Parts: sequence; structure tokens; C-alpha cells
Amino acid sequence: AQKVTQAQTEISVVEKEDVTLDCVYETRDTTYYLFWYKQPPSGELVFLIRRNSFDEQNEISGRYSWNFQKSTSSFNFTITASQVVDSAVYFCALNLYSSASKIIFGSGTRLSIRP
Amino acid sequence: DAGVTQSPTHLIKTRGQHVTLRCSPISGHKSVSWYQQVLGQGPQFIFQYYEKEERGRGNFPDRFSARQFPNYSSELNVNALLLGDSALYLCASSLAQQPYEQYFGPGTRLTVT
Repeated sequence: AQKVTQAQTEISVVEKEDVTLDCVYETRDTTYYLFWYKQPPSGELVFLIRRNSFDEQNEISGRYSWNFQKSTSSFNFTITASQVVDSAVYFCALNLYSSASKIIFGSGTRLSIRP
Repeated sequence: DAGVTQSPTHLIKTRGQHVTLRCSPISGHKSVSWYQQVLGQGPQFIFQYYEKEERGRGNFPDRFSARQFPNYSSELNVNALLLGDSALYLCASSLAQQPYEQYFGPGTRLTVT
């Protein structure tokens, strides 16, 4: 069975702190894609990153970085020097190449950045 | 370029009624997927249409149906509404069937009373 677990339901930090959002996934497939999406209060899901299962290279984009480790089935997301505008619900998601269309989302982590 | 658009924004229906939700993908995108997001949960996959054919279906009852038109816009239909159908319905579009980069619309908030 395929599954995405985001164990942290809510996180609250003070602005400028670093914060890491955890994501653990389960699949027996060898070809798959992992995603992170941001959902601000407006409700629209915003695509942040996609990673395929053959590329374990970590990625950095500005204050955002992602750590993909197949050995632990984790795809964690770190925000450095957090800002109030980072407050949102963040979803980790899994797409299997074999099932093409279906994306399996985790339950999300609500991140609140306090000024 | 315009993003994914959905209509209506909000909708209130009574149990047993029927509802139609609409989605227009990003220009050039041929794949449309529908998701249901109940409050406090992650989105759940309902359907994907690619090139006007159903390419994937999630674990939803037959009361849920969808179609894609020649211009790649899509409709999601829900019959015999239940209270549990109250949710945010999200539409997403992508270039190809595989959702390499899927762009979401703002959603339609459906409330069933």
C-alpha cells in the first residue's frame, strides 16, 4: 500500500527561526515522484518541488531546501530564516509512475510563524 | 497566462440534490484532475482526465462522475448529495498524464445542508 505520513500536525515558531517539516512515505514501487505543496489561507495549492525516486540529490531554492533519503523513505522540507508569509499548510505527496495520474497526499502540517 | 480557473467559488446545496463544478485548465494543458479536500485533511484524488478520456479514478462512489470537453475544460458532477460531500473541490491541470507539475485552481467550496 502507498502512504504518506506527516506526523507533525502543527508547528509554531518565531520569525527567523529555521523549521523542518517531516515527510515519510511508503511504497514498494521503484519509480515514483515526491512533491511538496503549500496551501495558504486562500486555499489554492502551490507547487513547490518535485523529485523523482532516482534523484537523491538535495535541493536548495532560496530559503527552502529539501532532503530526500531513500534509505529512510523520507523527504523533509526545511525553511531557513522563516518569515510570517511562510505561514500555511504544507503537504507532502507521492505519485507512482505505475498509476500515472493518482497523487497521494499526506494530511499536512500547519505552520505558523509568529512575528 | 491565466492559471487554472474554477466555478463557482462557493456553493450551498441540500442533501439529495445534484451539483456540477467546472474547471478550465491552463492553456495548453491536456490533463485535468479532480480532488476532494475535507477540512483538516489532505486532498483525495477523485478523477483524472487526459485527452478527454478517464485515465484514473479514486475510491469514490458512482455518484461522482466527470467529463472533459474538446477544449480540455472539465466538469465534475455529484448526484444525491450527502452531508459528507461538503468539502473544497480542487481541480488541477498538467501538460501530460503524469503529473510532473500539477497546477491547482482556487477550488470550489461546497456546503451540503
